[in-house]
Amino acid sequence: DAGVTQSPTHLIKTRGQQVTLRCSPKSGHDTVSWYQQALGQGPQFIFQYYEEEERQRGNFPDRFSGHQFPNYSSELNVNALLLGDSALYLCASSWWGTDDNQPQHFGDGTRLSIL
Amino acid sequence: GQQLNQSPQSMFIQEGEDVSMNCTSSSIFNTWLWYKQDPGEGPVLLIALYKAGELTSNGRLTAQFGITRKDSFLNISASIPSDVGIYFCAGTSYNTDKLIFGTGTRLQVFP
Repeated sequence: DAGVTQSPTHLIKTRGQQVTLRCSPKSGHDTVSWYQQALGQGPQFIFQYYEEEERQRGNFPDRFSGHQFPNYSSELNVNALLLGDSALYLCASSWWGTDDNQPQHFGDGTRLSIL
Repeated sequence: GQQLNQSPQSMFIQEGEDVSMNCTSSSIFNTWLWYKQDPGEGPVLLIALYKAGELTSNGRLTAQFGITRKDSFLNISASIPSDVGIYFCAGTSYNTDKLIFGTGTRLQVFP
């Protein structure tokens, strides 16, 4: 049973560039959430996708956008990169369902460094 | 961004000792979860709590959902070296899956 997988594991970019991160959810899950984790802090919610639509969004600028594909996989895009965007980007998946008891399971993240 | 208050910030204990950490919020939460994160990896779910007052165990780990719905604690009994890592609490409010995380507790276990 494959868990949440993310690619790439590490990425180095320069200011002003654009980046795309990818996530495949755990088998049986249909909902993907993205989080940003700065060094020494807890993860911060960016947004959540279900049925190929953005369902919830955290306090992040429009430079952060996403997409979900029919196979439930997802991409996170960040435009006009800033030094402050350097962080571990985590993807979490869950099952939308009708039951509230659906904890999110995380991948190992993509470490993004901005030079 | 919003974060829960988690304490202590770090703990240095001897193998075999028990550990307790807690998490508080200024607002009511519908769900409390505890995750462990090792270096270079994502958070791994340890325990999920869904009802106020609920007490749940997972091996040597025990967690409780506070009666006020504004706090939770995690206990680890008889610590072992592989318990080393950062422990995060997280919660969700009613009608949302958005996880709000705590600031983390870094645990070090000495033999």
